[in-house]
Amino acid sequence: GAGVSQTPSNKVTEKGKYVELRCDPISGHTALYWYRQSLGQGPEFLIYFQGTGAADDSGLPNDRFFAVRPEGSVSTLKIQRTERGDSAVYLCASSLWAGTDTQYFGPGTRLTVL
Amino acid sequence: RKEVEQDPGPFNVPEGATVAFNCTYSNSASQSFFWYRQDCRKEPKLLMSVYSSGNEDGRFTAQLNRASQYISLLIRDSKLSDSATYLCVVIPDSNYQLIWGAGTKLIIKP
Repeated sequence: GAGVSQTPSNKVTEKGKYVELRCDPISGHTALYWYRQSLGQGPEFLIYFQGTGAADDSGLPNDRFFAVRPEGSVSTLKIQRTERGDSAVYLCASSLWAGTDTQYFGPGTRLTVL
Repeated sequence: RKEVEQDPGPFNVPEGATVAFNCTYSNSASQSFFWYRQDCRKEPKLLMSVYSSGNEDGRFTAQLNRASQYISLLIRDSKLSDSATYLCVVIPDSNYQLIWGAGTKLIIKP
């Protein structure tokens, strides 16, 4: 079946602009996760949804970052007033249930802030 | 000290050789452990879970040493296609949050 998809695959923006990154999880997966990966590093947890609610947003670096999952499926990560330090690959993953269930990753969105 | 640490490498290994690398973790209460593989500019993909008794999947063997708080990955008869970055992942306690190492880069040379 279809895996996790993310759009766009690449996004180039200017400092100070607003961006939205979309994640479409595997159908039927209730848990959805956002990570950020910088070059040479492992993914860094940002936020996790169980259904429609953000169960843990402790990884969001500051209040410029926000994510929603209004219908419990597609999620959007929103970044306001982008900064050059926000440049990274943003990965989305989903799993059938939260906990130790295997997380399946999308291909990521490569964000470049000029 | 980082929660999960790996030697970044790169490990340059001739095709057909055996290679092993470790990953140390700091939280002694960690419950679940995994190895993921990540190819250049691709997403991580689960390679194998790591069980307390150790487990093997073809040419790959994973082991857990709770006393010393590390997990290991052994690759036998390495192939060119094994070239990738191998990421160690730990789930502390029983929650969902994956804690990732920075990865070990492996390069298999013909």
